[in-house]
Amino acid sequence: KAGVTQTPRYLIKTRGQQVTLSCSPISGHRSVSWYQQTPGQGLQFLFEYFSETQRNKGNFPGRFSGRQFSNSRSEMNVSTLELGDSALYLCASSFGLQGMNTEAFFGQGTRLTVV
Amino acid sequence: AQKITQTQPGMFVQEKEAVTLDCTYDTSDQSYGLFWYKQPSSGEMIFLIYQGSYDEQNATEGRYSLNFQKARKSANLVISASQLGDSAMYFCAMREAVYGNNRLAFGKGNQVVVIP
Repeated sequence: KAGVTQTPRYLIKTRGQQVTLSCSPISGHRSVSWYQQTPGQGLQFLFEYFSETQRNKGNFPGRFSGRQFSNSRSEMNVSTLELGDSALYLCASSFGLQGMNTEAFFGQGTRLTVV
Repeated sequence: AQKITQTQPGMFVQEKEAVTLDCTYDTSDQSYGLFWYKQPSSGEMIFLIYQGSYDEQNATEGRYSLNFQKARKSANLVISASQLGDSAMYFCAMREAVYGNNRLAFGKGNQVVVIP
C-alpha cells in the first residue's frame, strides 16, 4: 500500500511569508503527527490530529498551526516565517490511538528553507 | 528534561560486524513504548523495532535486536552483520502512556557509517 506522502519535498520562502505543508497518511490511518527536525534542536513534536481534532500540541508558538480533513489528510501552516523555521518537517501516520505499539510511519519530509 | 539520551559520537563500523547503539530514557510512567528509527540521507524515518515496557523478552526484527534493561532505563539497539546500506542516523524514541496518543520523544541520534 502507498506510504505517507508529503508535499512539497522542498520549499524556499522569505522571512515574513507564510507556508502550508501537506501530508497524506497511509490509507485507513486516522492519526497524523507533525515533527520539526533541526540540527540544533533535533526532532521536536509539533502536534497530532486524530479524526479532525487536535489531540496534543508541542511547545511551539501560535504561528504554527494545523488541521486535518475528513479524509485524514493534514496540513500544517507556519505564518510570519523566521529564519529559525528552516527545518525538515516530518509527518507521521498511525492507525489510531489504541495500544502502546501503534507504529508511526513517516513520510520523506518537507525541507523548508527560509531566506 | 531530556527524555531520551543518545550520547555516542559518530561511529565507523566495518561491514559484516555488529554495532551497538546506546539509548537511555527517563520516565516516571510504568507503561511506555520504546522505538528505534533509521534516517538515511534522504530524510525519511524508517521504523526498525519496538519494545514495550511490559514486554519480558527483548524485541528482535531480522538483523535488529533491542537490549532492554528496564531497571537501568536503557534500550540499546544491536545491528548484526552490518551492511553498507545501514549507513544512516539512528534515533531512539519513547512514547509515554500518560499522553494517551502517538506523541514520540526522540533522542539526538547516532550517526553510523559502515565501511567496506
